[in-house]
Amino acid sequence: GESVGLHLPTLSVQEGDNSIINCAYSNSASDYFIWYKQESGKGPQFIIDIRSNMDKRQGQRVTVLLNKTVKHLSLQIAATQPGDSAVYFCAAVVTGGGNKLTFGTGTQLKVEL
Amino acid sequence: DTGVSQDPRHKITKRGQNVTFRCDPISEHNRLYWYRQTLGQGPEFLTYFQNEAQLEKSRLLSDRFSAERPKGSFSTLEIQRTEQGDSAMYLCASSRLEGPAKNIQYFGAGTRLSVL
Repeated sequence: GESVGLHLPTLSVQEGDNSIINCAYSNSASDYFIWYKQESGKGPQFIIDIRSNMDKRQGQRVTVLLNKTVKHLSLQIAATQPGDSAVYFCAAVVTGGGNKLTFGTGTQLKVEL
Repeated sequence: DTGVSQDPRHKITKRGQNVTFRCDPISEHNRLYWYRQTLGQGPEFLTYFQNEAQLEKSRLLSDRFSAERPKGSFSTLEIQRTEQGDSAMYLCASSRLEGPAKNIQYFGAGTRLSVL
């Protein structure tokens, strides 16, 4: 079955630095990926998505990179701010059915002033 | 969009009691999902509806769990004879069926269940 894992459980960065959060997935049939941000006591919040026919997608201060060869994706946050402190999850989807999300365990991002 | 809303936000119950949670999805979202999240873990899929039809259930959804979406709008998730292992955050998400954003699931704030 699908498993989605994260390389680092906790990432501490200085305010203003760039953050990189990594994620590996195992199901080669996964063709859509989403990054979510979850703050304490809240539900996951959509950040950015990418389809498997792309290898890079940019949003506002965030970039997602997808390497299908090694089944790896990353989330880059530019100029990290204190408000970015949260747990970040990647989720993989095999589209065409119910589109259920398979999540990893999350990376805690801590932004130090 | 007013967002996905869940009620209650917190529920404390004694082992063996029944509990029911409600989810109101974003209006006009055809799909509604339930997930369970335990501390330090990512959400795990439980079940989903397309309109009023329940189309898939995870093996995590034991016989004590039942979900409904009778009119294709709000949904309820009931847990009968609760066990301490049911303690978790229960998350609801919804998504469109068509359009460029059809694969994006938007989550509610969740219902945190504590079984004593």
